[in-house]
Amino acid sequence: EIVLTQSPGTLSLSPGERATLSCRASQSVSSSYLAWYQQKPGQAPRLLIYGASSRATGIPDRFSGSGSGTDFTLTISRLEPEDFAVFYCQQYGSSPLFTFGPGTKVDIK
Amino acid sequence: QLQLQESGPGLVKPSETLSLTCTVSGGSISSSSYYWGWIRQPPGKGLEWIGNIYYSGSTYYNPSLKSRVTISVDTSKNQFSLNLSSVTAADTAVYYCARVHRIAQFMDVWGQGTMVTVSS
Repeated sequence: EIVLTQSPGTLSLSPGERATLSCRASQSVSSSYLAWYQQKPGQAPRLLIYGASSRATGIPDRFSGSGSGTDFTLTISRLEPEDFAVFYCQQYGSSPLFTFGPGTKVDIK
Repeated sequence: QLQLQESGPGLVKPSETLSLTCTVSGGSISSSSYYWGWIRQPPGKGLEWIGNIYYSGSTYYNPSLKSRVTISVDTSKNQFSLNLSSVTAADTAVYYCARVHRIAQFMDVWGQGTMVTVSS
């Protein structure tokens, strides 16, 4: 089973600042199969990034993804007030087919 | 615009079967490009994939739940369903249905989620 670890657990930043979130896999993950989601309280997750670096439809270009192998990064270039949320990475591959990381909470400093 | 909506009981007794249905609107469940999946989230915790189904009926389950899970599809109603048997308090969670891209393996459309509590 591929285990995803996300760091930091919580990131406290101010609007306008840059956010860098890490997702590390216990084994190599195909870049084609690494996605990022944003979840706000009381809402379903929203797809942000797929294929490690492709933005989903309607996602602003301040969100970007990068990485390969076991280390992946989600970057928010300049935080907007609506960006504060919990972010999850997700991989597809070995059994179980889909696993999610534990999440990184980005809150307002 | 594709929408997914979960429905089913919000309260299930221990040892009984949890049954939920996801209704797909604004698009066909018979698309060859997508699977249809269930994901759950216990209160205050992270996301756990339960399983997927293709419109043909092919299923893929999380091994940790496989012995208790059945996912089925009804293309005539544009719906797919989740049955989880022998539930315990540990199955208390928000249950989401989602569309899963068959090639790139991401979940791009989600239902709003439905809270299911297991309690006597």
